[in-house]
Amino acid sequence: GAVVSQHPSRVICKSGTSVKIECRSLDFQATTMFWYRQFPKQSLMLMATSNEGSKATYEQGVEKDKFLINHASLTLSTLTVTSAHPEDSSFYICSARDRSNVLTFGAGSRLTVL
Amino acid sequence: GDSVTQMEGPVTLSEEAFLTINCTYTATGYPSLFWYVQYPGEGLQLLLKATKADDKGSNKGFEATYRKETTSFHLEKGSVQVSDSAVYFCALISAGKSTFGDGTTLTVKP
Repeated sequence: GAVVSQHPSRVICKSGTSVKIECRSLDFQATTMFWYRQFPKQSLMLMATSNEGSKATYEQGVEKDKFLINHASLTLSTLTVTSAHPEDSSFYICSARDRSNVLTFGAGSRLTVL
Repeated sequence: GDSVTQMEGPVTLSEEAFLTINCTYTATGYPSLFWYVQYPGEGLQLLLKATKADDKGSNKGFEATYRKETTSFHLEKGSVQVSDSAVYFCALISAGKSTFGDGTTLTVKP
């Protein structure tokens, strides 16, 4: 079945630094990938929709200069949290949409900003 | 915009009990509907899906039917097991955009 690899699974960084999270579809091409933030009470918040070769579409309230998304190929999208602060600490999840419109999720990345 | 509303949890059941987790949606166009499951410490996995009205998705004993008239996609299982303990998310994809419910935590006790 479809597999999405997300890396790193955990990252700890100092306040003010930038962190990059990668999302790769391993055995299928994904023209669309989604980035979510999962809060402690479990709800998923869609941050942005990433389309290959074009600019990402951000949801209302998500700072595009803070959360940089690049979808350079049909199998790779990256999320860069710039100048991270403790309030950015969260669980970030990506998903990729295949041709049958099914979303396959990465395992998530736990970001802790000190 | 699109929205998904699912039954609030947590839900606690005894093993072999019947499970229903309600899910209703609002969407423009003709969405595809999904249930995803997240086991403790793991990522989200597709449980089942339905792409058009009256379709029934099924997997691992779980079922859900796409009801356009009631805009619902309720998840059911006739006899739950301890291993079904997880968070369940109802979701839709419409016009290339995904929308998730807030998740329902299910705990099954032996």
